[in-house]
Amino acid sequence: AQTVTQSQPEMSVQEAETVTLSCTYDTSESDYYLFWYKQPPSRQMILVIRQEAYKQQNATENRFSVNFQKAAKSFSLKISDSQLGDAAMYFCALPPNYGGSQGNLIFGKGTKLSVKP
Amino acid sequence: GAGVSQSPSNKVTEKGKDVELRCDPISGHTALYWYRQSLGQGLEFLIYFQGNSAPDKSGLPSDRFSAERTGGSVSTLTIQRTQQEDSAVYLCASSLASRSSGANVLTFGAGSRLTVL
Repeated sequence: AQTVTQSQPEMSVQEAETVTLSCTYDTSESDYYLFWYKQPPSRQMILVIRQEAYKQQNATENRFSVNFQKAAKSFSLKISDSQLGDAAMYFCALPPNYGGSQGNLIFGKGTKLSVKP
Repeated sequence: GAGVSQSPSNKVTEKGKDVELRCDPISGHTALYWYRQSLGQGLEFLIYFQGNSAPDKSGLPSDRFSAERTGGSVSTLTIQRTQQEDSAVYLCASSLASRSSGANVLTFGAGSRLTVL
C-alpha cells in the first residue's frame, strides 16, 4: 500500500528566512505526480506545487521549490523568504497505484508551519 | 461556479441524528471527491465520483455513510445515526476528468465542520 509520511508535526520559521518541510513516500509506480497542498485557517486546501516523477528538474513556483529525490522517495518543500501568510498546515500527497481510485490523492498527516514576525 | 462550494460551513448535531452535507463543484469538473479530516489528522478519502461511472466507495468507513451525485454536478454526503467519532471536517474537491497518471489537480472547498454532541 502506498504511504506518505511527514515526520515534522510542527515547524517554525522567522519571517524572511527559509524553511524546509520533509515528506517521504512509498509507491510501486514509476511515473506519478507529487503534490504539496497548503491549508490555512480558512480550511480551504490550496495547491502549492506539483512535481512529475519522470522530470529530473525540481519544480519551482515563486518562493516555493521542491527537492525531489526519486530513488530515496523523498519530496521536500522549501519556502524561501517566508511571509506571515505562509503560516498554515502543509500536506504532501500522491495518487494511488494504477488501478486504484484514479485521481484520488493519499495525504500525509501534515506539518503545521508557524511564521514569527 | 468560480470555486467549490460546501454547505453548511458548520453543523452541530446530536448523537443519533442524520446529517446531510452538500458540495457544489466547479462547473465542468467531472470528478468529485469527499474527504474527512479529523482533528490533527491528514485527509481520509471517503468516496469518488467520475462522470457517469459507478462511484468508488472504498473509503466509506461504515454503512452509515452514503453519497450521491445528481446530474453529474451537486453531491450530497449523508451520515445516518451520527456518532461522536463522526465529528470532523468534511472536505469536498473537484477536478477535470481524472487521468491515470494522477496529473489532475484537485480544487477544494472550505469544508463542513461537523460536531456531534
